[in-house]
Amino acid sequence: AQTVTQSQPEMSVQEAETVTLSCTYDTSESDYYLFWYKQPPSRQMILVIRQEAYKQQNATENRFSVNFQKAAKSFSLKISDSQLGDAAMYFCAYRSNMFSGGYNKLIFGAGTRLAVHP
Amino acid sequence: DTGVSQDPRHKITKRGQNVTFRCDPISEHNRLYWYRQTLGQGPEFLTYFQNEAQLEKSRLLSDRFSAERPKGSFSTLEIQRTEQGDSAMYLCASSLGRGPNTGELFFGEGSRLTVL
Repeated sequence: AQTVTQSQPEMSVQEAETVTLSCTYDTSESDYYLFWYKQPPSRQMILVIRQEAYKQQNATENRFSVNFQKAAKSFSLKISDSQLGDAAMYFCAYRSNMFSGGYNKLIFGAGTRLAVHP
Repeated sequence: DTGVSQDPRHKITKRGQNVTFRCDPISEHNRLYWYRQTLGQGPEFLTYFQNEAQLEKSRLLSDRFSAERPKGSFSTLEIQRTEQGDSAMYLCASSLGRGPNTGELFFGEGSRLTVL
């Protein structure tokens, strides 16, 4: 079974600085997706960035980028020029892309709470 | 607002009572999911619908839990004879089952259940 581990329960960053959130995962599959979701306080979870395992190039979305190390099974999120609105819980998630005859569910890590200080 | 909506947002109930949560997905989304999130944890998959068919249920979904999606539109999640361990945030999400963004889930704000 696949697992996702986020080893940093809490992180903090100064406004305008850069922070990196860590995520490791365990799988025997070769075809899968990895995601970072953001969950602000009392708001819905939204997708921040997605990486397809067969793509070697790291995904980038504006101030958000990932460092995808497939061999090491590592998928970290870098937030550049941090803003107060980035404060939230961040969840790393895995989804198989292998056809299994059923639904390939998202498997989430436990999350990292990010605080942004002015 | 055309996002995923959930009702009620908060529910406090006594142990042994039944509760029902409703989810209205994004209108063109044919896939609907329920997840449960306890404090300090990431969401855990409960069940999945494609249109009106419930195609997968987690072992977390005991026989006290039932979910429906009549006509492939809104969905309900009912918990019978609630227990204190059922206290959690129940998240609904929806997605398109086709197209380039397959796999991106759109979440509602959740229904928080407190069982006293």
